[in-house]
Amino acid sequence: DVKVTQSSRYLVKRTGEKVFLECVQDMDHENMFWYRQDPGLGLRLIYFSYDVKMKEKGDIPEGYSVSREKKERFSLILESASTNQTSMYLCASRLSGGDYGYTFGSGTRLTVV
Amino acid sequence: AQSVAQPEDQVNVAEGNPLTVKCTYSVSGNPYLFWYVQYPNRGLQFLLKYITGDNLVKGSYGFEAEFNKSQTSFHLKKPSALVSDSALYFCAVRGMDSSYKLIFGSGTRLLVRP
Repeated sequence: DVKVTQSSRYLVKRTGEKVFLECVQDMDHENMFWYRQDPGLGLRLIYFSYDVKMKEKGDIPEGYSVSREKKERFSLILESASTNQTSMYLCASRLSGGDYGYTFGSGTRLTVV
Repeated sequence: AQSVAQPEDQVNVAEGNPLTVKCTYSVSGNPYLFWYVQYPNRGLQFLLKYITGDNLVKGSYGFEAEFNKSQTSFHLKKPSALVSDSALYFCAVRGMDSSYKLIFGSGTRLLVRP
């Protein structure tokens, strides 16, 4: 089975800190995605990457950036954390092309105080 | 623009009864449709998908979903609910364009009472 691993289950950070959320997948998937999940809003796409060193903005990229230097790793960066970025962050990956669905990590619950 | 609507925030059903979780979508062209389930403090798990073919799709844990093109719906169903089915359910759609983005609904919480 494909595994998508998010390095932290829970994080507490202070306002203004630079925050790194890490995601690693072990099945050579080309596509990787970062979503945030908030009650009543479902999942909203922050950034995605079709392949190594490629990145595309999703629907809510403001305040975030990403890095994909290696195929298996996709990092989400909060440049200067704010309280409105308190959320559950979900990473996903998939094989490129076709009708493949996503495989999700277990999520990182980030609290910004 | 692609969109997904899950009109019910919560669905309550008694164990043993049939359940339906509703989903409607809007997409240009033919859709790829998915259902995912999320248990507390976990990521999303794939349940089933519709790509083409038979309108009734069978998935994991006894769930199935019916694709209805004229009503642009993809409702999730199960003939007999279990307490362990209680979770958050997400419908998602992807259009047949070059993008691989999935658009998710807002989620429906299913509560199965004993």
